[in-house]
Amino acid sequence: EVQLVESGGGLIQPGGSLRLSCAASGFTVSSNYMSWVRQAPGKGLEWVSVIYSGGSTYYADSVKGRFTISRDNSKNTLYLQMNSLRAEDTAVYYCAREGRYYDSSGNYNWFDPWGQGTLVTVSS
Amino acid sequence: SSELTQDPAVSVALGQTVRITCQGDSLRSYYASWYQQKPGQAPVLVIYGKNNRPSGIPDRFSGSSSGNTASLTITGAQAEDEADYYCNSRDSSGNHLFGGGTKLTVL
Repeated sequence: EVQLVESGGGLIQPGGSLRLSCAASGFTVSSNYMSWVRQAPGKGLEWVSVIYSGGSTYYADSVKGRFTISRDNSKNTLYLQMNSLRAEDTAVYYCAREGRYYDSSGNYNWFDPWGQGTLVTVSS
Repeated sequence: SSELTQDPAVSVALGQTVRITCQGDSLRSYYASWYQQKPGQAPVLVIYGKNNRPSGIPDRFSGSSSGNTASLTITGAQAEDEADYYCNSRDSSGNHLFGGGTKLTVL
């Protein structure tokens, strides 16, 4: 069964750091595009970061310079290192596998599966 | 613009058909994908590409696209379809965009 399980969330003070983990089973993290997506309480989804199978990484402007996405191939696990945390980073953080495809009719992309999410609360 | 716009709320009578739309310039280059999210749960992919359904998604869910608008149609809405629905695409930089979400109420 293809599955993602996040961990590492919690309550952290502004300016602090936290590392989220996303353990995958049923597929290989390093062979896929993997993303983090967050959702602030009562709000919509916001894409945070992606790591390509080749290792390239990209970030939303809101977290660039503060967050780092990485993976451990031996553990088949994705990570999100979050530094200089702010109140506005409070959210449920989901990891998700990304699919991409291109044909003559256009570009396709999708997220499937998603993990169950881990809550990060930034507050003093 | 690098935005995807959705109606905040839509309602449908039980058994009727409802269309949820998503507008944005990026949809001229990228097909939308659609996600269903029920309270306290993670999003679930329901449609991607031209009109592709993952395994396990009922065939009452379908997708379409025209110009800068993508649509998710539920034909014969069921009570269990009541949820938030989000569209997703990518912007000109290749980064991901999500619509603001549509809350679907089944009456």
